[in-house]
Parts: sequence; C-alpha cells; structure tokens
Amino acid sequence: DAGVIQSPRHEVTEMGQEVTLRCKPISGHNSLFWYRQTMMRGLELLIYFNNNVPIDDSGMPEDRFSAKMPNASFSTLKIQPSEPRDSAVYFCASSLGQTNTEAFFGQGTRLTVV
Amino acid sequence: AQRVTQPEKLLSVFKGAPVELKCNYSYSGSPELFWYVQYSRQRLQLLLRHISRESIKGFTADLNKGETSFHLKKPFAQEEDSAMYYCALNIDSGNTGKLIFGQGTTLQVKP
Repeated sequence: DAGVIQSPRHEVTEMGQEVTLRCKPISGHNSLFWYRQTMMRGLELLIYFNNNVPIDDSGMPEDRFSAKMPNASFSTLKIQPSEPRDSAVYFCASSLGQTNTEAFFGQGTRLTVV
Repeated sequence: AQRVTQPEKLLSVFKGAPVELKCNYSYSGSPELFWYVQYSRQRLQLLLRHISRESIKGFTADLNKGETSFHLKKPFAQEEDSAMYYCALNIDSGNTGKLIFGQGTTLQVKP
C-alpha cells in the first residue's frame, strides 16, 4: 500500500477562489482525519470521519470550509472562498479506528492563498 | 477541556547531550498518549505510544498521571534526531481514535 495519498502537493491560488484538497486513505482504515498545520497553532484537527460519516467537525474554522467522504477510499476538503489566512499545510490521516488508533499521515498539501 | 501542551517550540542541544521534550495533557478520561515525529521532507509518523512501553531509536516516554505528563527522553542525542516532535492524545479511546496534538517542538541537534 502506498500509504495515505494527498493531492495536490502544492496549491497556489488567489483570494476568493475555491480550493479542493483530496485524500485517499489506506485501504481498510475506518477513520479519516483532516488536520491543518501552522507555525502559530501547530496541528489542529479540523474534522474526522468514521466509516465515511462525519463524527466531529467542531474544528472547522468557518462555514467557508467543508469536507466530504463519499466512499471509503476518497475524501475532499473544500475552501470556498479562500482567504490568505487559510495558507497552511493540510494533512489527511487515516487509522483502523477502534482496533488500532495509530494514525498514518499523508504527505500534506501546502496551500498558499495570495 | 481536553488539551495537549508542549511548552517549548525549539529545543537545541549538542550531539551526545541528554534530551527531554516536554508534554503535558488535560483529559478527564483514561489517557492514551503518543509521540509523533516529522523528519525533514518526510511525512509525520508514529514514534512511540505509552501503552507499548517500548524504546524506539533510543527514545522513551513514561506516562505520569499524577503530573499529567508524557515527556520524551533520550540519554544521548544524535544529529539524525533533528526533527519536529508532536505529542498526541487520543480523546475517543476505544472508538474512532480521535487524536489531538500539541503545538510541536523542533529538536535541533548540533554537531
């Protein structure tokens, strides 16, 4: 297994544009997490899913952020409209959940909003 | 409130010196704690978890419930230990494995 796969690796966009980040979790993993990494705040949990169902989205900063998991092998995090303060590295992670809580991380997407 | 605190953003030591990266947590339930490491240009990965009580790459961490701490220690630092270290807490034990992280500490080991 190639591990958790995120795309794109880098994204530069203009303020006001829609941004979509993508994630393919490890096959067989039941839990999927979206994190945002910044120098000031470290790793913040934005939202997580279990068996494709959103369990807790209390970390999503604003209504401009939304996430979906239409099936067990794909998730998206969308920002619409994007703002410069959204610039960060966004990580997706997956785990087996109940049987093993070790989280496996993707390489991250570095988002720059200008 | 559930929280993980890493008080040091940067820890700089010389090769061969002892290292202690501090982590304190706030959680009303039974804690499950982890240390994750991110080497330069690599993805974040698990270093160790408290339930395993193992030593990985010479690092150990002991859970102290009285002090609500889970400090990461190594007696003799190596240059290859330079990385970002995150302490993490599972606040949904036995269910979905919801992990929250501290702010991270950058360890710099100088030759």
